[in-house]
Amino acid sequence: GAGVSQSPSNKVTEKGKDVELRCDPISGHTALYWYRQSLGQGLEFLIYFQGNSAPDKSGLPSDRFSAERTGGSVSTLTIQRTQQEDSAVYLCASSLTRAGSVGGAFFGQGTRLTVV
Amino acid sequence: GDSVTQMEGPVTLSEEAFLTINCTYTATGYPSLFWYVQYPGEGLQLLLKATKADDKGSNKGFEATYRKETTSFHLEKGSVQVSDSAVYFCALSDRNAGGTSYGKLTFGQGTILTVHP
Repeated sequence: GAGVSQSPSNKVTEKGKDVELRCDPISGHTALYWYRQSLGQGLEFLIYFQGNSAPDKSGLPSDRFSAERTGGSVSTLTIQRTQQEDSAVYLCASSLTRAGSVGGAFFGQGTRLTVV
Repeated sequence: GDSVTQMEGPVTLSEEAFLTINCTYTATGYPSLFWYVQYPGEGLQLLLKATKADDKGSNKGFEATYRKETTSFHLEKGSVQVSDSAVYFCALSDRNAGGTSYGKLTFGQGTILTVHP
């Protein structure tokens, strides 16, 4: 597709369940980012993939969070044993290479996760 | 580490008023600076950018100048419209002396702008 695609757009899950969020970046983009946007808060960095390099996982809030990127394209963010504080909009972005080198990243519409 | 601080909102203006949204940053290297906008019900979009000191980014009537001496990148528009109502985010991506980005984008907390007719 022409833009960054995320699925599902909305997800409601019960506390304690695992969830998987998917991101399809723009074709050819080597850099992929995950952010979390909570109500009334800014964007919290979670993880960054660049080509075949080891990902920057410095923003993952706990070991319940993990992400992988298969074949340098599609990425999946997994949250295990979800908690209510995990409720947020999860945003994925991609850029041709490192965002600061090319002038920014392109964002998807996000997945709104609600943990009940 | 890197950080971005935006003026607290929300900001409410009348149509045709002058807009300033302040943004200051902390970075260890030579960052690129960005303003992103999130319109109601839409995803984040890059509004403008500047990659070195004294550069001015501009788009859709908005401007921001990269001020290294004050570590600022304030967003301005001379005459706002109702359609400018959105959330505005200042962001940076730090780079080394050679201009290679470290990759991560660091965002401010966002400023909600509401423009009334």
